Formats: sequence, structure tokens, C-alpha cells
Amino acid sequence: GEDVEQSLFLSVREGDSSVINCTYTDSSSTYLYWYKQEPGAGLQLLTYIFSNMDMKQDQRLTVLLNKKDKHLSLRIADTQTGDSAIYFCAESGSSNTGKLIFGQGTTLQVKP
Amino acid sequence: DTEVTQTPKHLVMGMTNKKSLKCEQHMGHRAMYWYKQKAKKPPELMFVYSYEKLSINESVPSRFSPECPNSSLLNLHLHALQPEDSALYLCASSQRGQGNSPLHFGNGTRLTVT
Repeated sequence: GEDVEQSLFLSVREGDSSVINCTYTDSSSTYLYWYKQEPGAGLQLLTYIFSNMDMKQDQRLTVLLNKKDKHLSLRIADTQTGDSAIYFCAESGSSNTGKLIFGQGTTLQVKP
Repeated sequence: DTEVTQTPKHLVMGMTNKKSLKCEQHMGHRAMYWYKQKAKKPPELMFVYSYEKLSINESVPSRFSPECPNSSLLNLHLHALQPEDSALYLCASSQRGQGNSPLHFGNGTRLTVT
């Protein structure tokens, strides 16, 4: 079946790097996504990676994909208090219908 | 700023009321979605429209009725809701209704059923 798992909570100091991890089960997923949700807001698409890539970098964000272990990570460099939010990992799954399989979300707390 | 616009931002309704949630996008996307999100949980898919046709209904109760008047607009008609239907309702759109097309979400409508 399709399942996505994330740790629930991460706390870091401002200026440090944050690494949020995710494991997924469906190896046929075409794309893997990271979304950010701030309190009271919708989901903001942060970045996504195609399944045949190992790494993608976009300014302070680095996504690493280990297809063998079905492990995805999001690294945020120089974490700021504005990065405090819930981060959802999602996979596109095998149905190819646009339905995303979400993880439970990781709450990132950034301490000044 | 989000390119998917949802109205209203907040809605309080009684169990006998009829109300509608509205969603609009002008990105030329051909797939639109309704998700429901409870506090501290991931979004749950309700409906998918692809090229203005309903392609997925995730066994949603009939008190929720979606409508896609055109490729830019998506409505969710609500009738005889229950208090447990209180949640954040998120609209999303994508270029195509396929797994290789990222979903772009609106900021949601926070619904409270009294």
C-alpha cells in the first residue's frame, strides 16, 4: 500500500540547519513534494523532485532522495524564525490521478 | 501570495443552513481539487475535477456537493452539515490531473458548524 511517514517534531536554533526526514513506500511515485503550512494558512508548495533525481537545490532548500531506501529529506540552511511551520512530505503514488499521499507533517520550531 | 483564491475565509453555519464555498484560479490549470483538513492532520482528498468533469469522489457524504462551472471555478455546496464537518477546506489546482503536476493550494475556508 501507499504510506508516507515523518517525524512529528523538530526544534532548532535560529541560524542552524534543519533537516526534516520522510520515508515513503510507493516506488512508482513520479514526483515527491514538500509543502509548508503556516498557522491559519493553506499549503505552500516549497519544492518537488522527480523520482529519477538524487538532489535538488533551491536557495536555502536542499532536497535529497535515496530511492533505494525510499527516503526523502529537506534541508533548510540558516533557519529563520519565519521558517517555523508544519512541513508535509507527499508522494504522487501509483494512481496517476493527481491524488497526493501526505505524511503526518513535521512541526518545525525555530528558537531565537 | 497564493494564486488560488478561496472565499469566504471563515464561515459559521448551523446544521440546517445551506452555504457554498468558492474557489478560483487563473493559472490555466485543468484539474481542481477539494481537500478537508482537521487540526494538526494532513489534508484528506474529497473530490477531483479534471477538464471540468468529476474524476474522483472519495466516498464523500452527499451533504457535500461539488460543482465545476468552468475550468477556473470550483464550488462546494454544503447542506445539513454536522458539527464534525468543522474543518479547514482547501481548494487546489494543477496543470493536469496527474501525478507529475504539482498541486497549488489556496489559503482555505475555515468552516465551523454549530
